Amino acid sequence: DGGITQSPKYLFRKEGQNVTLSCEQNLNHDAMYWYRQDPGQGLRLIYYSQIVNDFQKGDIAEGYSVSREKKESFPLTVTSAQKNPTAFYLCASRIQGGSYGYTFGSGTRLTVV
Amino acid sequence: GENVEQHPSTLSVQEGDSAVIKCTYSDSASNYFPWYKQELGKGPQLIIDIRSNVGEKKDQRIAVTLNKTAKHFSLHITETQPEDSAVYFCAGDSGYSTLTFGKGTMLLVSP
Repeated sequence: DGGITQSPKYLFRKEGQNVTLSCEQNLNHDAMYWYRQDPGQGLRLIYYSQIVNDFQKGDIAEGYSVSREKKESFPLTVTSAQKNPTAFYLCASRIQGGSYGYTFGSGTRLTVV
Repeated sequence: GENVEQHPSTLSVQEGDSAVIKCTYSDSASNYFPWYKQELGKGPQLIIDIRSNVGEKKDQRIAVTLNKTAKHFSLHITETQPEDSAVYFCAGDSGYSTLTFGKGTMLLVSP
């Protein structure tokens, strides 16, 4: 079955460390997105990519970095510059062109210890 | 850019009652409006969507209505059940690269 897979489900980070969250999709979607969700909050856009080797900053890109070397993969790195990284991170993808909904992954919960 | 506002932020109903969640949007160019259900600790799931050439769409107990003139759309859930308890998000697509989401509604259905 086609879908979008995020790993790991839970991740713990020490102060000053960089960590990378994985997002892989086999839906043949061109566009991929990363969102951050804090308790009781909505979805805030971190980065998105519409095509391989290209990506754009969202509303809260500071302290994060991404790459898009393959159509199927869009990893997110949370750097030590992100001062408050504890949150639930969601990856999504969709068909590019026309109006379509996102398919979301199951999320990664990142906690700073 | 697009702005989507969602109300109410929380909604409590008794099992069997109906629930209505409303969203307004700002960009008249928006032409696609999905609704997502997010259960605790999971990713949002698309439950229904509507395009601007349609005024209403139904899928069993859920329906969405769209009023393009007033720029608002609503999610209707009838005969609510405890498993309907979740956070619901509306969104609008005005043709930019991303969907614009509302801030979510926490629906609690009490047995």
